[in-house]
Amino acid sequence: GAVVSQHPSWVICKSGTSVKIECRSLDFQATTMFWYRQFPKQSLMLMATSNEGSKATYEQGVEKDKFLINHASLTLSTLTVTSAHPEDSSFYICSAHQGGGHNEQFFGPGTRLTVL
Amino acid sequence: LAKTTQPISMDSYEGQEVNITCSHNNIATNDYITWYQQFPSQGPRFIIQGYKTKVTNEVASLFIPADRKSSTLSLPRVSLSDTAVYYCLVGPPSGGGNKLTFGTGTQLKVEL
Repeated sequence: GAVVSQHPSWVICKSGTSVKIECRSLDFQATTMFWYRQFPKQSLMLMATSNEGSKATYEQGVEKDKFLINHASLTLSTLTVTSAHPEDSSFYICSAHQGGGHNEQFFGPGTRLTVL
Repeated sequence: LAKTTQPISMDSYEGQEVNITCSHNNIATNDYITWYQQFPSQGPRFIIQGYKTKVTNEVASLFIPADRKSSTLSLPRVSLSDTAVYYCLVGPPSGGGNKLTFGTGTQLKVEL
């Protein structure tokens, strides 16, 4: 089956630093990738939609200058949390859509970000 | 996107059948119903998707009445490993590049 990986699986950083999270589709090409954020005991909240070769579409209330998304290839999307602060600590999850009539999104294992 | 309502939590015992119902009164004609499972600190996993009547796969069944205003996920003979959060989503097919909107989910706890 289709596999989506994320790297790193967890990261701890100091306040003010930037952190990059990678999302890769390992055995298929993803025309569209999505980034979610999930706080403890809460549901997933969509942050942005990432299409290969074009600018990401951000959901209302998500700062595009703070959460930089790059989808430079059909197998890789990156989310960079710039100038991270403790309130950015969360579980970040990506999903990928294969396209070509396939009817399912595949989720990555998530990345736990802790900002000190 | 249609809003969904699910029970916040459910408890069951190993070997029992578990039915989780989701209400989606404002479902649109083109909307599908999709269920995902999520374990702690993991990404969601697709379980099943349907449009109407009944859909069955190797892990679950999905029952959708004629008016499609609700749906029921049925998990046969649950085990401890089925303890997870189950999300009901309503909208365009989960693929097709469409964004998904997750509701609150149902925390299922399975005990011995």
